[in-house]
Amino acid sequence: EPEVTQTPSHQVTQMGQEVILRCVPISNHLYFYWYRQILGQKVEFLVSFYNNEISEKSEIFDDQFSVERPDGSNFTLKIRSTKLEDSAMYFCASLDRRTSGVLSTDTQYFGPGTRLTVL
Amino acid sequence: LAKTTQPISMDSYEGQEVNITCSHNNIATNDYITWYQQFPSQGPRFIIQGYKTKVTNEVASLFIPADRKSSTLSLPRVSLSDTAVYYCLVGDITNTGNQFYFGTGTSLTVIP
Repeated sequence: EPEVTQTPSHQVTQMGQEVILRCVPISNHLYFYWYRQILGQKVEFLVSFYNNEISEKSEIFDDQFSVERPDGSNFTLKIRSTKLEDSAMYFCASLDRRTSGVLSTDTQYFGPGTRLTVL
Repeated sequence: LAKTTQPISMDSYEGQEVNITCSHNNIATNDYITWYQQFPSQGPRFIIQGYKTKVTNEVASLFIPADRKSSTLSLPRVSLSDTAVYYCLVGDITNTGNQFYFGTGTSLTVIP
């Protein structure tokens, strides 16, 4: 079964450093997402991406964050200058949309996550 | 965006049927209801999705009343491996932006 992959599994960085989290979505999916989950808290939506541009973003996704799909397979999340509060699990997801007549079903497939630790 | 409310936690014995109810009073016409399961340190995993009435797959059933203001995830005969957090999401899947908001989820503990 195809799956979403993410690298690295764990990233440790110093405050103020730039980090790039990488994701390879499922190949025939067209919608991509980044979420984060601070330890012990709920999963929070960051951004959705479709047709090579951001569709929606949350308040969390400020100017320090950017996303890119550089080569048609990878989907990256960049944090320009990390802060201590950016420490979290970051999940990438891609979405399979199936339409049958007027009904659609959406299934988001999540990757295993990257644990980001900012020191 | 429709806000969802679920119980924070539930306990169940192995072999029992578990029903987790989610309230979404301001669900919109185009919104679908989706449930995810999450184990510690893993990404959420899709369980089931529905629009109205009842949907069943190999792992769960989803009951949605006519007014769609709530939904119930039913897990038949749970086992210890079903201990996880279960999230109910409501979203407009006709919108390509698709902001999906996870609530606090329900932490299910299955007891031997």
